[in-house]
This record gives sequence, C-alpha cells and structure tokens, in this order.
Amino acid sequence: DGGITQSPKYLFRKEGQNVTLSCEQNLNHDAMYWYRQDPGQGLRLIYYSQIVNDFQKGDIAEGYSVSREKKESFPLTVTSAQKNPTAFYLCASSIVVGNTEAFFGQGTRLTVV
Amino acid sequence: GQQVMQIPQYQHVQEGEDFTTYCNSSTTLSNIQWYKQRPGGHPVFLIQLVKSGEVKKQKRLTFQFGEAKKNSSLHITATQTTDVGTYFCAGHNAGNNRKLIWGLGTSLAVNP
Repeated sequence: DGGITQSPKYLFRKEGQNVTLSCEQNLNHDAMYWYRQDPGQGLRLIYYSQIVNDFQKGDIAEGYSVSREKKESFPLTVTSAQKNPTAFYLCASSIVVGNTEAFFGQGTRLTVV
Repeated sequence: GQQVMQIPQYQHVQEGEDFTTYCNSSTTLSNIQWYKQRPGGHPVFLIQLVKSGEVKKQKRLTFQFGEAKKNSSLHITATQTTDVGTYFCAGHNAGNNRKLIWGLGTSLAVNP
C-alpha cells in the first residue's frame, strides 16, 4: 500500500527541547517537502529536497533542520530556536520538483508547552 | 515576493447552492493545482491545469485557468455536505518551477 507516513499524529514537547518529526514515503518520489500550517492559514514551506543528500530552505526555515540520507525518508527537527513551534506539520512528496502533484502525509500536530 | 491571493476566505452556503472560489497570482504561472483539505485532514490533490484558458470538469466541480495564466477558479454546482472543507489553489511560477506558491484557501461550510 503506497503512500506517505508521518509519525506520530500528535506530539507534545516541553519548551526548549528539540523534537524530530518522521516522514517516510514508498512512492519512489525524488522530491519531498515539509510544510507548516497554522489555524486558518495556508501552507508555508519549511524545507524541500529535490533528491537524496540535497535539500533547500523554504520560506520559513529558521529554527528547523532536515536531512535526506535516504530517498524514502525526510525527517524534520524542530529546534529550540524555533520561537513558535506549536503547529500542524505536513510532509509531502512528488515525482520531481515542478509540475507534478504533491501527495501529503496525515500530518503531525505538535504542541509545545 | 510572488503571491497567490485566494477569495473568499470563508463561504457558508445552503446545501444545493453553488460555490466558487477564485485565485489570482501576481505573476504568470506555469500551472495551477487545486487541493481539498477536510477538517482535521491533509490536503488532497484534485486537479492540475496547464494550458491557457483550460477548463476541466470533475462531476460537479469545474476548474478554469485564465487566458493570461494568472488566475483560476473552482466552481461547485449544487453543493453537498461532503463538499465541506478548505480548498487551496497552488501554482508554479513560470520562471521558477521549484516551489509551489499556495493560496491561503477558502473554507466552505454547507448547511444541510
């Protein structure tokens, strides 16, 4: 059963702690993305990766880090430097970066207290 | 920077009424995509339009891409409660295809 898996669905962390969100895809897609969605807002791009071992900053990369060591995996670390980390995080993938549809995971709702 | 404006932000209709959401880009787009996000869910791809003036239909949904490839619309005929959700448009800049530029979405509520 192909798709994108994000885990966990809900995550709670104390302020000042780093936290890593998992994203795995078995669609054999080259491109992967991380978005942040706040209530009533659209999607804001955090990081994207066109191919394994490559990634680029999106529009709101400060306070976040990523890695792309495997084609299937694109984990996102929310660091303590992120001033307002509580949000809904969405991972997506597409065949390539460009004119192709994006497939989204179920999302991780992160709450920092 | 490049923006995609989407209106209205919210729309509340009676079941059976029609609904339209509009997107306008500040620059020419190479394509426009539409996604639907149900409450508590994740965005799901609906369609992609590429050609100037293109019109595509999916049952009660009609999608249009403007002649100048700067605007697009999604029209739903005779809404149903299953249409509830937020509809997003997103496009690739004609000069830079690397990133999708997203509209803020239109949230549709349907009264039964």
